[in-house]
Amino acid sequence: DAGVIQSPRHEVTEMGQEVTLRCKPISGHNSLFWYRQTMMRGLELLIYFNNNVPIDDSGMPEDRFSAKMPNASFSTLKIQPSEPRDSAVYFCASSFMAGAYEQYFGPGTRLTVT
Amino acid sequence: GEDVEQSLFLSVREGDSSVINCTYTDSSSTYLYWYKQEPGAGLQLLTYIFSNMDMKQDQRLTVLLNKKDKHLSLRIADTQTGDSAIYFCAPAPNDYKLSFGAGTTVTVRA
Repeated sequence: DAGVIQSPRHEVTEMGQEVTLRCKPISGHNSLFWYRQTMMRGLELLIYFNNNVPIDDSGMPEDRFSAKMPNASFSTLKIQPSEPRDSAVYFCASSFMAGAYEQYFGPGTRLTVT
Repeated sequence: GEDVEQSLFLSVREGDSSVINCTYTDSSSTYLYWYKQEPGAGLQLLTYIFSNMDMKQDQRLTVLLNKKDKHLSLRIADTQTGDSAIYFCAPAPNDYKLSFGAGTTVTVRA
């Protein structure tokens, strides 16, 4: 298996623009997680999907952030409009079971908002 | 929420043992995980321990859990240059949410 795939790997955009990050989980995994990593706040869970349904979005910073999972093999995280403070590395992870067991992380998308 | 604390840096000589310590506040975690992050990469699950265990050994890795003191440690025997990375302690206080510490940057010197 190719592992969790994220695209793009790097994104540079101007403040106010819309940004869409993409994730393909490992085939057969039914749980998907979006995380954000910054120096100041470390790793934060943004949202958790189970069987394509958002279960916990309490970590989503504000209404500018939205996430979707239209099917078992694809998820997006959208920021609109983007702000410089959104600059971070965004990770997608998936797991086989509905739980924290062995989450497999993608390589991340490094977002820079200027 | 869960507070997880780790020391930020550890420098170790190649061939020596590394010990990374972690303290946490929520005692309800069923599983406690250690993840490794190499530069520019995602997190990789290293090992984990079930909360009813005191110790788990996995090749060069030894995990010790002191539930009373809410203390978790990871020992890496015969540390190699490839072990240079950031190590995250991650208790799981509920069935899906990992609480990550800030990470310990391990530097292996020759």
